[in-house]
Amino acid sequence: AQSVTQLGSHVSVSEGALVLLRCNYSSSVPPYLFWYVQYPNQGLQLLLKYTSAATLVKGINGFEAEFKKSETSFHLTKPSAHMSDAAEYFCAGGGAYKYIFGTGTRLKVLA
Amino acid sequence: NAGVTQTPKFRILKIGQSMTLQCTQDMNHNYMYWYRQDPGMGLKLIYYSVGAGITDKGEVPNGYNVSRSTTEDFPLRLELAAPSQTSVYFCASSPLAGKGSYNEQFFGPGTRLTVL
Repeated sequence: AQSVTQLGSHVSVSEGALVLLRCNYSSSVPPYLFWYVQYPNQGLQLLLKYTSAATLVKGINGFEAEFKKSETSFHLTKPSAHMSDAAEYFCAGGGAYKYIFGTGTRLKVLA
Repeated sequence: NAGVTQTPKFRILKIGQSMTLQCTQDMNHNYMYWYRQDPGMGLKLIYYSVGAGITDKGEVPNGYNVSRSTTEDFPLRLELAAPSQTSVYFCASSPLAGKGSYNEQFFGPGTRLTVL
């Protein structure tokens, strides 16, 4: 069965610390992978997407993700957390037009 | 472009009532989707459409209906509201897959529905 798994429903980091949000996908998920961010009471916004052109993908707001086929992972990182990064993050994978979403990781940034 | 718009933003229904959630996109996207979001559950696909006149069920279609008479509009109908339908509903759209297109979905701001 196709699945996208996000490890850790809640992650807390100190301001300025590394952000690492984990995402693993089943090998049956087609090779379109995305990270979305959702701020409180808003819809989802695209952070970055894997296009198969490069395994390291850079997105908005200093985020990046690395596609590792051997590990079926697409973890999201940011070198230095900012208070404004506090939000919920969703990993998604899909085929031609349908996504499978992970259950989300809520990031808390501590001052 | 306004992108994907949804109305209403909030709604409270009584059990058994009906309502339609409206969704409109102005990007000429072929694909449109309805999701519901429940705490800790991520997004679940309710229905989707690959073009005007074509709709199909997603993961959790029971209790909902959709139609797609135009490219722009994709309303979601709740016929007999139940407390289990209390959720936040998101509409999304994406362009036709093709060269240079990676099927990014664009989301509306959501409708928060409470059924009492």
